[in-house]
Amino acid sequence: GNSVTQMEGPVTLSEEAFLTINCTYTATGYPSLFWYVQYPGEGLQLLLKATKADDKGSNKGFEATYRKETTSFHLEKGSVQVSDSAVYFCALSDEYTGNQFYFGTGTSLTVIP
Amino acid sequence: DADVTQTPRNRITKTGKRIMLECSQTKGHDRMYWYRQDPGLGLQLIYYSFDVKDINKGEISDGYSVSRQAQAKFSLSLESAIPNQTALYFCATSDSSSRRNEQFFGPGTRLTVL
Repeated sequence: GNSVTQMEGPVTLSEEAFLTINCTYTATGYPSLFWYVQYPGEGLQLLLKATKADDKGSNKGFEATYRKETTSFHLEKGSVQVSDSAVYFCALSDEYTGNQFYFGTGTSLTVIP
Repeated sequence: DADVTQTPRNRITKTGKRIMLECSQTKGHDRMYWYRQDPGLGLQLIYYSFDVKDINKGEISDGYSVSRQAQAKFSLSLESAIPNQTALYFCATSDSSSRRNEQFFGPGTRLTVL
């Protein structure tokens, strides 16, 4: 079956620190992979995505590379800001299961000045 | 204007009451979804609808029902609310004509059942 395993939080970093949030997946087909971000009091917003192996998604300084050999899609940012404080969700969508989404449990990030 | 709207945004109710949460979208998407979010559990799919005549149960549909009144509207009902249905509920939409569907989320409804 399909599933997403995500690094547990909470994560607390100082401003300008390097961020990595690990995400691994299992899938029956050839999934698309996503990172969603949820700011306090808001719904989920798409942060970035990758649709095939070796694709790199990027947005707002965040990057993630679709690694089929390690079934991973780790989120990285070189220098975090206070405004990046949010909950981050890794997710997959698999056309073999009607493009249903499978979400990880979310990782809470707090960036302190 | 928001593309996916949810009403109400917050609701407090008592055990045994019937509650309806509503979702509307102006994105023209054919697919709609209801999720609940609990701390530490991420998002769990309750129901989903691929078009007006197609309703499907998700992983946690017990205690919930849905109605797709139109392509743009998808309602979630709790027939007899219980305290463990206290959660944050999200509606989402997607477009089946997009090869790799993204889902677009509403702002959420915070439901508290006393």
